[in-house]
Amino acid sequence: EVQLVESGGGLVQVGGSLRLSCAASGFTFSSFWIHWVRQAPGKGLVWVSRINNDGSSAIYADSVKGRFTISRDNAKNTLYLQMNSLRAEDTAVYYCARGFVADYFDYWGQGTLVTVSS
Amino acid sequence: QSVLTQPPSVSAAPGQKVTISCSGSSSNIGKNYVSWYQQLPGTAPKLLIYDNYKRPSGIPDRFSGSKSGTSATLGITGLQTGDEADYYCGTWDSSLSAYVFGIGTKVTVL
Repeated sequence: EVQLVESGGGLVQVGGSLRLSCAASGFTFSSFWIHWVRQAPGKGLVWVSRINNDGSSAIYADSVKGRFTISRDNAKNTLYLQMNSLRAEDTAVYYCARGFVADYFDYWGQGTLVTVSS
Repeated sequence: QSVLTQPPSVSAAPGQKVTISCSGSSSNIGKNYVSWYQQLPGTAPKLLIYDNYKRPSGIPDRFSGSKSGTSATLGITGLQTGDEADYYCGTWDSSLSAYVFGIGTKVTVL
């Protein structure tokens, strides 16, 4: 069974940092692109970032470019999102999602809540 | 403001049909595959339709997808109370080099 389990969310002050993790199981992690998607409270889905299967290529939404870094450890079947210079508008539930390249997301984690407070 | 336009809400009685439109442009829907996601209250999104019209294993054929030009449509027939959820369309935008979602459509079963 494919599983994605996010962790690392919590309360952080404006300007602070946080690192999210996404532990994968039930599939060959190193064969898939993985994405981060976030959802602010009561709002819609917003794509944040993606990394290709071997970690050699990563792209970001303009809203997080230069502040967030996506990475992966295929030996540990784990995806990461390092979030720096956090802003109030980064407050959201962050989901990791398995991607079929960039066409669609077939499995999603349960999400982890990040709250950025001033 | 989203790159993809969806109606905020649609509603119908049990057993009826609803359609949800998703309008984009030549740089997103016009050029790339569309997928649809269902998000039940308090849960993570779930893939409903991919590659414009294909259904993942386990998704009933009451759900259908289509695409024409720069627009896509999700159809739900035989509406059930369990279908009450938010539905999002999504696709890659080749100009933005980003994946984009619609604002989401809330389906209410009357």
